[in-house]
This record gives sequence, structure tokens and C-alpha cells, in this order.
Amino acid sequence: NAGVTQTPKFQVLKTGQSMTLQCAQDMNHNSMYWYRQDPGMGLRLIYYSASEGTTDKGEVPNGYNVSRLNKREFSLRLESAAPSQTSVYFCASSESQPQHFGDGTRLSIL
Amino acid sequence: GENVEQHPSTLSVQEGDSAVIKCTYSDSASNYFPWYKQELGKRPQLIIDIRSNVGEKKDQRIAVTLNKTAKHFSLHITETQPEDSAVYFCAATSNDYKLSFGAGTTVTVRA
Repeated sequence: NAGVTQTPKFQVLKTGQSMTLQCAQDMNHNSMYWYRQDPGMGLRLIYYSASEGTTDKGEVPNGYNVSRLNKREFSLRLESAAPSQTSVYFCASSESQPQHFGDGTRLSIL
Repeated sequence: GENVEQHPSTLSVQEGDSAVIKCTYSDSASNYFPWYKQELGKRPQLIIDIRSNVGEKKDQRIAVTLNKTAKHFSLHITETQPEDSAVYFCAATSNDYKLSFGAGTTVTVRA
């Protein structure tokens, strides 16, 4: 039982490149989330999916898109990466609460 | 939307002493308040949570208190140990989905 698995763990991009972050959970949770974590700002919700087939914007959705591929998988896409998107990205899942987090993806955009 | 403020941003305590972290929230409809611990380079992990129908909850050395009238909740860690050194985040939500997090408190336990 792996919980929430994120790939890749690290990535360096150039400005303007595109990238998809992958997330999968094996806990049969209905809800999945993408957060970004920046120093001194806690975790901020980018997008979430309350259930398979639905997605909704969070606090900081600009510059991102998501796809809930099936109940297990929820991907985050950066279409044209910008230096301001350098951050640690966490995926989480839940059945109501609490939310369970993956190990994160450290993304640097040069 | 919900706004969660967390204080202090850093906290240094002597091993064996208590640590208290306080959070305030703005949305009176918020009804779920988790606390997460994050060690350096690791994922946030839930350590305790409380719902609005309860005023206090304890789990061994940690406890959370909630004051709905004042819209604040606090984390109490007693008999602190070096392994309690980490960043702690409070959060709040009214709809079981959109958690709003505080900015975090870096706790250092001095041996």
C-alpha cells in the first residue's frame, strides 16, 4: 500500500517549457488535490477534484491545468513554465478528511 | 474565502518544556481543523485534528483546543523531545475539500 505516489521527484525546466506532474493514489479515495509550497507561505491549493470527472480551481490556479484521468490518477500540467512556478508541488487525496500527502515534486524553472 | 493566520512563525523551546502554536480563522462556517507536521524535505503528515462540535482533543503529548466564538484554535505539545523539531501547519475548511493553511511554525527543541 504505497498511499500517494508522485512522479517525478525532481525536475528542472527552462522558461516556456511544458511539463506534467503525475499523481496516483491506491487508497480508493474520491478526492484529490494539488498544492504548491513556497517558503513562508504554507501550502496553497492549486486545483482539486472532489470526485472522478470533476475538477475545480483552488486559490492559485493561474498557469496550471489538471486532468482527473480516473479515480486513481490526477495530473497537473504547466503549459508554459515561468520562474514564478518554481516550488515544491504536493499531491494529496482524501475520502472527506483528513488529506494524505505524497512526497512532493521539487520543480525549478530557470 | 477562508484566511488562516498562524503564530509564532518560529518557536524555540528547551527539551521537556511545552510548546504552543496559535491559529485564527476568518470563516465562521469552518468546521474542520487539522494540524500537520512536516520534517525537512518530507511530506506533511497529520498529527491531530478537531471538528467544530468538540472543544478539545488529546493524543498522548499533543492536544488541540478550539474556541469557535473567538475563531481560534491552538496546538499544545507537552514534554517536548528533539524529534518534535519540525514545521507545523494549521488548516481550516468549511466544506471538506478546500483546506486553507497557515504559513507554518518552525519549532526547534533545544537539548
